[in-house]
Amino acid sequence: GQQVMQIPQYQHVQEGEDFTTYCNSSTTLSNIQWYKQRPGGHPVFLIQLVKSGEVKKQKRLTFQFGEAKKNSSLHITATQTTDVGTYFCAGQKSNDYKLSFGAGTTVTVRA
Amino acid sequence: KAGVTQTPRYLIKTRGQQVTLSCSPISGHRSVSWYQQTPGQGLQFLFEYFSETQRNKGNFPGRFSGRQFSNSRSEMNVSTLELGDSALYLCASSLDWSHTDTQYFGPGTRLTVL
Repeated sequence: GQQVMQIPQYQHVQEGEDFTTYCNSSTTLSNIQWYKQRPGGHPVFLIQLVKSGEVKKQKRLTFQFGEAKKNSSLHITATQTTDVGTYFCAGQKSNDYKLSFGAGTTVTVRA
Repeated sequence: KAGVTQTPRYLIKTRGQQVTLSCSPISGHRSVSWYQQTPGQGLQFLFEYFSETQRNKGNFPGRFSGRQFSNSRSEMNVSTLELGDSALYLCASSLDWSHTDTQYFGPGTRLTVL
């Protein structure tokens, strides 16, 4: 079955530094979505990527969809304490409408 | 617009009991999906309903079931509870069943099985 893997599982970041989290699928995806879950909260939709090689930005967050539509990345610049949480990617195949979530990258920030 | 609501928010049950969780989607949304979230397994897809029909199902045993009503509200039921069923159960609603629309998650129901 479709598997979506995320690395790293944990990311400890010094405030002000940049980091990247990666999402890899064993199969080609029709689209990939990113969600953020704050501690004690529920996942909140961040963005959806559909096109091969697509890059989207949200302030300090940059999302990229790979050319082969099998991987994606989330890059955060100048990390702030508000970035704390778990970031999930979720992929969907074109012939299967189930969203498969990665295990998430849990981000902690050192002030 | 009110968000996705889930009731109850917290639940404590004992092994062997059964439980029913409820989810009310955002007004106008017709698709409801259920997920189980545990620290070790992340978000695991349970099933999805659209227009009162189950459209997709994850790899969970038959003890997990669900249904959707004509007003799009959904319930999930877990029978013969096991310790391993302790988890946060999240429901998410979207406009349609193709997932190309954003999924909006509810706050979840925290189930503890003793």
